[in-house]
Amino acid sequence: KAGVTQTPRYLIKTRGQQVTLSCSPISGHRSVSWYQQTPGQGLQFLFEYFSETQRNKGNFPGRFSGRQFSNSRSEMNVSTLELGDSALYLCASSVGAGAYEQYFGPGTRLTVT
Amino acid sequence: LAKTTQPISMDSYEGQEVNITCSHNNIATNDYITWYQQFPSQGPRFIIQGYKTKVTNEVASLFIPADRKSSTLSLPRVSLSDTAVYYCLVDRDDKIIFGKGTRLHILP
Repeated sequence: KAGVTQTPRYLIKTRGQQVTLSCSPISGHRSVSWYQQTPGQGLQFLFEYFSETQRNKGNFPGRFSGRQFSNSRSEMNVSTLELGDSALYLCASSVGAGAYEQYFGPGTRLTVT
Repeated sequence: LAKTTQPISMDSYEGQEVNITCSHNNIATNDYITWYQQFPSQGPRFIIQGYKTKVTNEVASLFIPADRKSSTLSLPRVSLSDTAVYYCLVDRDDKIIFGKGTRLHILP
């Protein structure tokens, strides 16, 4: 069974631009969660989608948004990029929502200059 | 949300058993305890999950005392490839919070 895939793997953007990251979950998984990882803050939860609905959201500004499609694929969007948005963005999928075992993708390394 | 506390770092030697303890004093009745492993530049990998007493799989064992206010991840006979960051999480039908993790360094 194919794992979680994320595209692109690496991205360089300029301050003020916007970016969209994509995540394809494992087949049959209906929950997709997004995390931001930085050396200073560690792994921080962004949001979780289950059956196309946002279930939970972390403490991030409204510039961070996401959506989930009917095939469970998910996208995350960051508008008006700031230097501090440079991070590894990880997507994880699971069969169900919440406490289920999560499978993480390789991440997208975003660099904002 | 239940907060977890674990040692920032640990060193051990190849072939030894390593025990990493996590404190979660305000764990709720419905919370599960989950451990993940993360190597540099990779996403975390699920190791084990439990609710009470002891859980064992091919990779590790998880010991949870009766009061569930702490848990211990046990890695038998570690190797150099077990050098990684280990995260303890207390899950609920809610936001999943990763703490700072324990940086485990295995020495030859």
